[in-house]
Amino acid sequence: SQQGEEDPQALSIQEGENATMNCSYKTSINNLQWYRQNSGRGLVHLILIRSNEREKHSGRLRVTLDTSKKSSSLLITASRAADTASYFCATGLVKLVFGKGTKLTVNP
Amino acid sequence: EAQVTQNPRYLITVTGKKLTVTCSQNMNHEYMSWYRQDPGLGLRQIYYSMNVEVTDKGDVPEGYKVSRKEKRNFPLILESPSPNQTSLYFCASTPGQVVSGANVLTFGAGSRLTVL
Repeated sequence: SQQGEEDPQALSIQEGENATMNCSYKTSINNLQWYRQNSGRGLVHLILIRSNEREKHSGRLRVTLDTSKKSSSLLITASRAADTASYFCATGLVKLVFGKGTKLTVNP
Repeated sequence: EAQVTQNPRYLITVTGKKLTVTCSQNMNHEYMSWYRQDPGLGLRQIYYSMNVEVTDKGDVPEGYKVSRKEKRNFPLILESPSPNQTSLYFCASTPGQVVSGANVLTFGAGSRLTVL
């Protein structure tokens, strides 16, 4: 059962621009995570935001969480070609459920 | 280096020929799981294990078996593979149970399986 759904499915931007990806989920959560996947490789954890947090930063990443709307957003500032990847949100505690991802392309 | 290791990374096999994809982690994690990733369907959990000798079905367990005899290893067994099991498979682990922040998954590099 898919819990998170990312939007948009695909996003293409120029280097230096900001990229925003959104995630909506259906049930109440304890925390929400974002992962990144380079083409065909394993997912790598980026950031975790707890249900009592509204915003969190890590380097060029900014994550927001709105539990009333059951949504989260991931902002990558000053994007680089190396940020080209698919990004997934995930919810759950013991059993993590992933959305289908946003495929980000950053053009040099 | 802390990691999850899967083998083989690539495999082409034929329908009905039993195969095992191994998964090993060196982080003393209690929880391990298997996912498959298919275009348009995202990641779906196949099986997970909370600890040694404790396993449970995920969302798509049909056609798969797992075992957890040792804490570090969690092999995925396809007793009689079929073409619809052609997919990219990931093993993942996390330290353990409900401690906030303790459910961050470490993924293996993936095993691309083709069943002809």
